[in-house]
Amino acid sequence: AQKVTQAQTEISVVEKEDVTLDCVYETRDTTYYLFWYKQPPSGELVFLIRRNSFDEQNEISGRYSWNFQKSTSSFNFTITASQVVDSAVYFCALSEAQGSSNTGKLIFGQGTTLQVKP
Amino acid sequence: DAGITQSPRHKVTETGTPVTLRCHQTENHRYMYWYRQDPGHGLRLIHYSYGVKDTDKGEVSDGYSVSRSKTEDFLLTLESATSSQTSVYFCAIRSGVGANYGYTFGSGTRLTVV
Repeated sequence: AQKVTQAQTEISVVEKEDVTLDCVYETRDTTYYLFWYKQPPSGELVFLIRRNSFDEQNEISGRYSWNFQKSTSSFNFTITASQVVDSAVYFCALSEAQGSSNTGKLIFGQGTTLQVKP
Repeated sequence: DAGITQSPRHKVTETGTPVTLRCHQTENHRYMYWYRQDPGHGLRLIHYSYGVKDTDKGEVSDGYSVSRSKTEDFLLTLESATSSQTSVYFCAIRSGVGANYGYTFGSGTRLTVV
């Protein structure tokens, strides 16, 4: 069965600190997708990144970076020089690969609440 | 961007009453999903649909039913609401292929059962 674990329930940092949010996943599929979503206090889910299982390149987008390691089944998310606006709940999620026979269910981790203090 | 709307946005209902939440999409996406969000649990899948009249259960389907009579609408019904169903409900659609593969979520429905 597929499973996503975000062991950090809450993290509190001071502005400008770097912070890493951990995500560990389990799946028997060889082809799958990993996602990160941000949920700000307003409540909507904001897509941040998608990675497929064949692409282990790390990705950087501004202050955000992602480290995907299949060997440890991890897909960690780092915010560099955090800002108050980064305060949110962050979710890691896993879906099975595309295909006519799969259902594309998205399995979420429990979420990590990040508080960035000024 | 796929248009997806949920209604109502907020609802307070009494224990034992039936409640229906609606998810509407403006594009003909085949796959639609209902999730509930609770503290400490993230989002958990209730039911999903892979076409008109084609639905299946997720991990927390007890007490919920769904219907999809049209491609654009996916309804979630609580037959007899209980306090444990107080939650935020999100609808999602799956869209795109390859590099564009992804999910779009509605704004959520905050349901309180008193």
